[in-house]
Amino acid sequence: NAGVTQTPEFQVLKTGQSMTLQCAQDMNHEYMSWYRQDPGMGLRLIHYSVGAGITDQGEVPNGYNVSRSTTEDFPLRLLSAAPSQTSVYFCASRTQGGSNQPQHFGDGTRLSIL
Amino acid sequence: AQTVTQSQPEMSVQEAETVTLSCTYDTSESDYYLFWYKQPPSRQMILVIRQEAYKQQNATENRFSVNFQKAAKSFSLKISDSQLGDAAMYFCAYKGGGSNYKLTFGKGTLLTVNP
Repeated sequence: NAGVTQTPEFQVLKTGQSMTLQCAQDMNHEYMSWYRQDPGMGLRLIHYSVGAGITDQGEVPNGYNVSRSTTEDFPLRLLSAAPSQTSVYFCASRTQGGSNQPQHFGDGTRLSIL
Repeated sequence: AQTVTQSQPEMSVQEAETVTLSCTYDTSESDYYLFWYKQPPSRQMILVIRQEAYKQQNATENRFSVNFQKAAKSFSLKISDSQLGDAAMYFCAYKGGGSNYKLTFGKGTLLTVNP
């Protein structure tokens, strides 16, 4: 079972470049989300989606866009990368059924902005 | 807004010993869920254990157990018979009840297991 798949695993960008981080899940989960993980900060929610066509902002949304055209995919876009966006990015998904159901995480994308 | 606090940035334990990781949280909700996630050097986020706030009984998963004190808003993780493979960053996380799917994480505790 693939679960949650993130690509790429690593990426280096220059300031001002744009990029899309890909996230796909094959579990038919309605809820998907993006987090960033910085040293000493834990994971912080960037954007989330409760279903196709529905997205909303999390705790740190500035500088990022998302869309959810299908249940499976939830890409994260950086329109103009900044050094402050250097981080490890995690995509997660979960089913809507059962409030105690955990989120399933991808393996993360390590992004460096020079 | 809910907050999750892990007051121990780092902890260490001897192999085969027991260690307890602390977590406190702040919420005005009565229905919520708490989780402990483990992140080894491979960077994967692995669910260790979960607790429903409405359950009085503490959750247990093999060598992992929690001490859930609802009135004190405390949710500590106890690891018994520690193994080298337990070395990782551990995150405490909070999720509200109902259709609220957002997870709020603590900053993590780095656990070292000494042979």
